Amino acid sequence: DAGVIQSPRHEVTEMGQEVTLRCKPISGHNSLFWYRQTMMRGLELLIYFNNNVPIDDSGMPEDRFSAKMPNASFSTLKIQPSEPRDSAVYFCASSFGQGQPQHFGDGTRLSIL
Amino acid sequence: GQQVMQIPQYQHVQEGEDFTTYCNSSTTLSNIQWYKQRPGGHPVFLIQLVKSGEVKKQKRLTFQFGEAKKNSSLHITATQTTDVGTYFCAGRDSGAGSYQLTFGKGTKLSVIP
Repeated sequence: DAGVIQSPRHEVTEMGQEVTLRCKPISGHNSLFWYRQTMMRGLELLIYFNNNVPIDDSGMPEDRFSAKMPNASFSTLKIQPSEPRDSAVYFCASSFGQGQPQHFGDGTRLSIL
Repeated sequence: GQQVMQIPQYQHVQEGEDFTTYCNSSTTLSNIQWYKQRPGGHPVFLIQLVKSGEVKKQKRLTFQFGEAKKNSSLHITATQTTDVGTYFCAGRDSGAGSYQLTFGKGTKLSVIP
């Protein structure tokens, strides 16, 4: 069975550029989560969706970050403009129901120069 | 907001020694989940505990949920090099309408052969 699929796996870009991260959750899962992981701050929840609707975006750092889930099988996390401090590994996870075990994708390793 | 603390942050053990990581929540939890992240990998769900005082075992791993449902522990007996990684606990607040998981910062386990 296909797990959570994220793309790209690695992204290196210059500051000021727009970055778009993509996620395909496991089919049938109705909750989707975006996390950011750094050495300093650990694993931080940025935003989560339930049935394609954003439920809690209090973890989104600032207006430069935005996330969408246009349908049950696709979500994007966009950073515009990007800054060096956005460098991190970004994980997408999905679950069947809120509060249930989450299945993580392989992550996108983002480096902003 | 809810906080989940994990100790220790790092643990180095000789292969064959036991290992324990502790997780404490600032609020009462409805459930707690444990995840393992191998170096360079993504968090992988291990187990979920729901009942007060619950104890579950997976081979050499023993998971406990405190009577007050505010703390949990993971104990590994006779560590092996395959146990290397970071172990995260993640708690779901028991308050009404609380569905998101709050992750601890993790305990990074190193096993010396």
